[in-house]
Amino acid sequence: EPEVTQTPSHQVTQMGQEVILRCVPISNHLYFYWYRQILGQKVEFLVSFYNNEISEKSEIFDDQFSVERPDGSNFTLKIRSTKLEDSAMYFCASGTAPLHFGNGTRLTVT
Amino acid sequence: GEDVEQSLFLSVREGDSSVINCTYTDSSSTYLYWYKQEPGAGLQLLTYIFSNMDMKQDQRLTVLLNKKDKHLSLRIADTQTGDSAIYFCAESGDMRFGAGTRLTVKP
Repeated sequence: EPEVTQTPSHQVTQMGQEVILRCVPISNHLYFYWYRQILGQKVEFLVSFYNNEISEKSEIFDDQFSVERPDGSNFTLKIRSTKLEDSAMYFCASGTAPLHFGNGTRLTVT
Repeated sequence: GEDVEQSLFLSVREGDSSVINCTYTDSSSTYLYWYKQEPGAGLQLLTYIFSNMDMKQDQRLTVLLNKKDKHLSLRIADTQTGDSAIYFCAESGDMRFGAGTRLTVKP
């Protein structure tokens, strides 16, 4: 069964550094999403992406965040200048009803 | 504000039934989902129900939907230790997730 894959599984970075989290959605899906889950907390919507543009974003998704679909298969989330509070699991999802999630990237900002 | 509500913890004995409850707010949601998250792992879609259905059964899983009360439940029959995980409900309208219910199954 096709699945959403995310790399890396764990990323450690220093505060202020830029990080790029990568996702390969399921190939025939058209809608893509990023969510985050701070340790022990709920899963929070960040952004949805369709037709090469952001279709919806939450208040969490500020100017430090950006998304891109650089080629036909990858979907990336960039955090320009990481803060300690960006430490979380970041999940990529694709599809519609239901969403299919990747296994997540654990981002640790030190 | 609008939110998806779940109780945070549930503990049952192996072999018993588990019932995890959820209330949601977006009446326009077409689908309601249950996801399972094991420790350190991603979100696994368990089952989902279309909003015009009252019930859906899938092996040991039964989903009940009360659209009038915006209440969703997940019943796991014959709960096993491998069912220990966090269970999230989510609504399709704006894909909001509940905080998750941590199910602990005791042998």
